Amino acid sequence: DTGVSQDPRHKITKRGQNVTFRCDPISEHNRLYWYRQTLGQGPEFLTYFQNEAQLEKSRLLSDRFSAERPKGSFSTLEIQRTEQGDSAMYLCASSLESGSRLKNIQYFGAGTRLSVL
Amino acid sequence: AQSVTQLGSHVSVSEGALVLLRCNYSSSVPPYLFWYVQYPNQGLQLLLKYTTGATLVKGINGFEAEFKKSETSFHLTKPSAHMSDAAEYFCAVSEGNQGGKLIFGQGTELSVKP
Repeated sequence: DTGVSQDPRHKITKRGQNVTFRCDPISEHNRLYWYRQTLGQGPEFLTYFQNEAQLEKSRLLSDRFSAERPKGSFSTLEIQRTEQGDSAMYLCASSLESGSRLKNIQYFGAGTRLSVL
Repeated sequence: AQSVTQLGSHVSVSEGALVLLRCNYSSSVPPYLFWYVQYPNQGLQLLLKYTTGATLVKGINGFEAEFKKSETSFHLTKPSAHMSDAAEYFCAVSEGNQGGKLIFGQGTELSVKP
């Protein structure tokens, strides 16, 4: 069990550029979550997947944001035409859900810190 | 809609003193409640969670929290603070057995003085 892995750890980009982040969940975890955390605030939910299906998206996830989990394993989060307001820590979490009762124990990665200049 | 309020963005205690971090929640369905800790430049680590059953839950590193439905609270305590407890603490709520997303409070930074 190597934990949730996120790549890159830091990303500096210029306004208007596209960026893509990757998240590798804990092996065999079927749920994967993306959150955004700005300085001095708690994480805010963006979206989550169960296997390859994207089950919920926050209204925070504008049309410039897209997330995929094509094979139900790793996930990517892409931001197109970045804006300075996109500067934040992007956190990924995963959990294993089975049976009828939700456990919802989410394990977090260390995050990708995005700075938009 | 669910929400979480953490009273006090910064709490400072002396080493060996009681730690009390406050959390109040709002939920229209029976909630799941969580406390996470975040050290600088790291992800969040789960301290403890409440789902159903016993209202006093014990977590890692000597922390515990009590679910009080009548007060809509889930305060985090530790009898004796250690220097290594200095970190950011987040309370979170999810929609019980109905959903997975976590709604977090704004966090409380705990400082421990020697």
